Amino acid sequence: EAGVVQSPRYKIIEKKQPVAFWCNPISGHNTLYWYRQNLGQGPELLIRYENEEAVDDSQLPKDRFSAERLKGVDSTLKIQPAELGDSAVYLCASSLGGPVMATQYFGPGTRLLVL
Amino acid sequence: DQQVKQNSPSLSVQEGRISILNCDYTNSMFDYFLWYKKYPAEGPTFLISISSIKDKNEDGRFTVFLNKSAKHLSLHIVPSQPGDSAVYFCAASGSGSNYQLIWGAGTKLIIKP
Repeated sequence: EAGVVQSPRYKIIEKKQPVAFWCNPISGHNTLYWYRQNLGQGPELLIRYENEEAVDDSQLPKDRFSAERLKGVDSTLKIQPAELGDSAVYLCASSLGGPVMATQYFGPGTRLLVL
Repeated sequence: DQQVKQNSPSLSVQEGRISILNCDYTNSMFDYFLWYKKYPAEGPTFLISISSIKDKNEDGRFTVFLNKSAKHLSLHIVPSQPGDSAVYFCAASGSGSNYQLIWGAGTKLIIKP
């Protein structure tokens, strides 16, 4: 069974530039999560989708971050414009069913460096 | 305000011995706890979980203990093997976090040969 796929794996951009990350979850998983992980910290949830619907985006900085999950499968996360403080690893995860006691499977992440 | 704390950034253990990783939490509404393992350049991988109705859950070499009164859980690995060298994250969820997973900062476990 294929795992969660993310691309690109690494991205270096200059501040104020836009950047986008892509995620393909495990087949059949209706719940998709985007996390941000800063160095030396645990992941922090940015947004959670149940199928096409964003059911928890309370921690997504909506002034510069946006996400979509068309057709309830793949998802993209965009930052525009990027700031120096956005440098982090962006992790995508998926699960079968909602977050309550559902094991989340993670992709390898996209490491973003903003210069 | 860190709701889930892993106070040891790193831990070094001799191969074959027991590794004990600790985690403390502050939110009494948490009722489900998980441990994830992470290798460099990979995403976290689920290891073991425990519900608040239990105080122990075992899976092979891995055992998680939950002390609700102390708001403390621990992960025991015995015997420790070189492949166990990784960063271990404790995470918690419950109605108090809208069922979001709240993560600790991780403990880097190094198994010495």
